[in-house]
Amino acid sequence: QKEVEQDPGPLSVPEGAIVSLNCTYSNSAFQYFMWYRQYSRKGPELLMYTYSSGNKEDGRFTAQVDKSSKYISLFIRDSQPSDSATYLCAMRSSARQLTFGSGTQLTVLP
Amino acid sequence: GAVVSQHPSWVICKSGTSVKIECRSLDFQATTMFWYRQFPKQSLMLMATSNEGSKATYEQGVEKDKFLINHASLTLSTLTVTSAHPEDSSFYICSAREASGPSYNEQFFGPGTRLTVL
Repeated sequence: QKEVEQDPGPLSVPEGAIVSLNCTYSNSAFQYFMWYRQYSRKGPELLMYTYSSGNKEDGRFTAQVDKSSKYISLFIRDSQPSDSATYLCAMRSSARQLTFGSGTQLTVLP
Repeated sequence: GAVVSQHPSWVICKSGTSVKIECRSLDFQATTMFWYRQFPKQSLMLMATSNEGSKATYEQGVEKDKFLINHASLTLSTLTVTSAHPEDSSFYICSAREASGPSYNEQFFGPGTRLTVL
């Protein structure tokens, strides 16, 4: 079993839709949770960074962490075609080495 | 701020040759740099952790003699793929972590290097 599970998709939504992306994990030592966006043939770009449980909002993006369920989510409101990319969840313990999910490929249709 | 560059962005080489990839932190000092490999439609797999001035720590299954890592300064790490073979063709991405400052816990990723071995 992988430490971090993420549905690879692909996920296709119409412009303006609310997108929900999720990851589950098994290592209870994970404390820091991140979402990265990766465009084709580019390096990952950090979108959201959350410590422990709770919600964090940044513009159209909201990250949620539920440590009791070992479940994290990223919501994208009013999705745009420019949001089309692969979204990777990542997490780490205090040891600071990241473990990535497999990534979800998102396409927002105009 | 916190920009990481990689060079080259893509490279094609013949089987049996060696290829060097550079990773630079442009506006900060990075005591630690990481090297990842990503195959198509797959996630990033950590290959090794590189600390400035010391030997790199390789992940299980990664051949240290094949993937030579040098982190000679606080702004530069290099990955050399020795005697490359077609199965080494992949997208290689580095990341760097600041030595200190408000972004100390964050990793900043480079744009990646696409290696194709013929």
